[in-house]
Amino acid sequence: QSALTQPASVSGSLGQSITISCTGTSSDVGSYDLVSWYQQHPGKAPKVMVYEVNRRPSGVSNRFSGSKSGNTASLTISGLQAEDEADYYCCLYVGNRVFGGGTKLTVL
Amino acid sequence: QVQLVQSGAEVKKPGASVKVSCKASGYRFTTYYMHFVRQAPGQGLEWMGFINPSDGSTTYAQKFQGRVIMTRDTSTSTVYMEVRSLRSEDTAIYYCARDHHGSSGDYFPFLYWGQGTLVTVST
Repeated sequence: QSALTQPASVSGSLGQSITISCTGTSSDVGSYDLVSWYQQHPGKAPKVMVYEVNRRPSGVSNRFSGSKSGNTASLTISGLQAEDEADYYCCLYVGNRVFGGGTKLTVL
Repeated sequence: QVQLVQSGAEVKKPGASVKVSCKASGYRFTTYYMHFVRQAPGQGLEWMGFINPSDGSTTYAQKFQGRVIMTRDTSTSTVYMEVRSLRSEDTAIYYCARDHHGSSGDYFPFLYWGQGTLVTVST
C-alpha cells in the first residue's frame, strides 16, 4: 500500500470550519470504510478522533466529523478553537495499516 | 486502565541494533495485537507492523521486512521491537500502540499508545 495523500497544511480562523482531505485509490480508500483520523499535538502521542470514516470515539467533540467520497476521505472541524491547532493524520486499516503524510492545521 | 510503558531513550551508532520494549498492563496481554509506529523528527507517522502476543506471529510493513523483529514475553506482558543495521534515517520516536475492542462490538485502531521511545542513530 502506498501512503495516503494529505495537504501539507491548512489554516482557518477561530470559529470557522476547515476540511482536511486524504486521498487514496479505488483499491484502498475507495473500496473500504476503514479510515481513521488522528490528532497529534507537539511532543504528544496521536489521539484517535474519527474511525470507520465517520464515527467518533466516546469523548471526542462533535465538532469533528468525517466523510468519504470516492477515493478521498475527509475530516471536517467546525467551530475552530485554538486547541485544534495540531497535526492531523488519516490512516487506512485494512489488514496492514498505512498513514497519510499528515496535515498541519494552523488556527489564525 | 490500559497502560503501555516503553523503555527509555537510546543512542546507537550506524550498523548497530536497538531493542525497544513496551510493557502492557490493565488488560489480558495475549488478547490484542500490538503495533509499532515510528515518527522521524518533523515527519509523519509510519506503521511498522504488529505482533500477535498469543502466538508470537508477526506481520511487518514491506519496508521493514528483514530488518525489524518483534517478539513478546507473556510472563511479563512485554513486547519487544528490534531494529537491526541501524542507519541515520532510523532516528525517530518509536511508539507501541493497541487497538480498541469494545464490549459492544465497536472496534478502531490505535486508541492506546505508549509514551514513545526516542532512538538516535549517530556517529
